[in-house]
Amino acid sequence: DADVTQTPRNRITKTGKRIMLECSQTKGHDRMYWYRQDPGLGLRLIYYSFDVKDINKGEISDGYSVSRQAQAKFSLSLESAIPNQTALYFCATSDSLAGGGGTDTQYFGPGTRLTVL
Amino acid sequence: QKEVEQDPGPLSVPEGAIVSLNCTYSNSAFQYFMWYRQYSRKGPELLMYTYSSGNKEDGRFTAQVDKSSKYISLFIRDSQPSDSATYLCAMSAADYKLSFGAGTTVTVRA
Repeated sequence: DADVTQTPRNRITKTGKRIMLECSQTKGHDRMYWYRQDPGLGLRLIYYSFDVKDINKGEISDGYSVSRQAQAKFSLSLESAIPNQTALYFCATSDSLAGGGGTDTQYFGPGTRLTVL
Repeated sequence: QKEVEQDPGPLSVPEGAIVSLNCTYSNSAFQYFMWYRQYSRKGPELLMYTYSSGNKEDGRFTAQVDKSSKYISLFIRDSQPSDSATYLCAMSAADYKLSFGAGTTVTVRA
């Protein structure tokens, strides 16, 4: 986990506020991902980026935006937070050169617990 | 219907028991299958990785994939209290995106 850091670790905010979650990695990986985890639903992909100039929507991108500021940094923003965005958010990274084709191992950060009141 | 189905449990077993976990899926394009382990207040970490059908063993852990039935399993032999965690199955086609199950919470009682 130390190779992938997320800030803040916990955040409580109010409906309508803008929130940014930050992810940094020292693994040198080119691919980065944002997921949310909800009880009974598992991990769902919000956005992913295969390099600095490549940003792609995942299955639940509505209400979220991202910025890939550098290879090592990938931020997730909630422009106007709503209560159903209360969840555990994870950043992950992977190395396209390590997978050997087909898929690559994703390494997860420790998560950010977000509560929207 | 979810693309990946996993019984959330919870599952409670005595120390030394065999833990059996499984997932079913609907997307026939999946060919890479993984099991992640997530301890409380931590991020998931990769436990087992299997390509296509077959078995893979790593110490006390065995992963099985049956693509004809769209069914994958993870077995933990001689379970220990340190195995208490949430286990998530994950799978991927050749597009590098993972689809996760909901996770099964396992408690191994000393």
